Amino acid sequence: DAKTTQPNSMESNEEEPVHLPCNHSTISGTDYIHWYRQLPSQGPEYVIHGLTSNVNNRMASLAIAEDRKSSTLILHRATLRDAAVYYCILRDGMNYGGSQGNLIFGKGTKLSVKP
Amino acid sequence: EPEVTQTPSHQVTQMGQEVILRCVPISNHLYFYWYRQILGQKVEFLVSFYNNEISEKSEIFDDQFSVERPDGSNFTLKIRSTKLEDSAMYFCASRADTSHQPQHFGDGTRLSIL
Repeated sequence: DAKTTQPNSMESNEEEPVHLPCNHSTISGTDYIHWYRQLPSQGPEYVIHGLTSNVNNRMASLAIAEDRKSSTLILHRATLRDAAVYYCILRDGMNYGGSQGNLIFGKGTKLSVKP
Repeated sequence: EPEVTQTPSHQVTQMGQEVILRCVPISNHLYFYWYRQILGQKVEFLVSFYNNEISEKSEIFDDQFSVERPDGSNFTLKIRSTKLEDSAMYFCASRADTSHQPQHFGDGTRLSIL
């Protein structure tokens, strides 16, 4: 799987938007971009995923660059509960055999939210 | 919203003892996973399970580990003879068919080996 690069940490103020970047310059045409987050003392939690087009759900938005070599997770209004480690992970959407979709976690971006 | 449940939330075991960690995946999911996270470190993949057999395992998943889906709902991870270094959070995950669908994780079992 292609590698991703994220900043180690970011800070945000409560109720302000947060843009979490991820670089994936070696992404292949069939790689989906997945975002998970891990709140303190909890398991990873799915946030959002996309292939080419920008995606929105109730938790966040995912903006994908036109060349797909980078993406940005957008939290529109950060709350204290959004303080977590955010992971950007690529998964091959065509890989029905082999690894069967196991996720390779990096160190992610630790997001701190100030009141 | 359906969720993955894991029991127990905390397990304390003497070194050398066998331990079984239990998971109930989301009911219509077909792929099942175990991950672990040693305190302060990254989440690491252990094993994936599909169609009643292991489909992939990492180097961590040695002969001391085994997985089983004994009935239609439970998915278990057994560590036969625990070591101190097995102390970690263990997360179960499941996902629906098609490989780009997300995985859903449980809140984990904290395993402490004394």
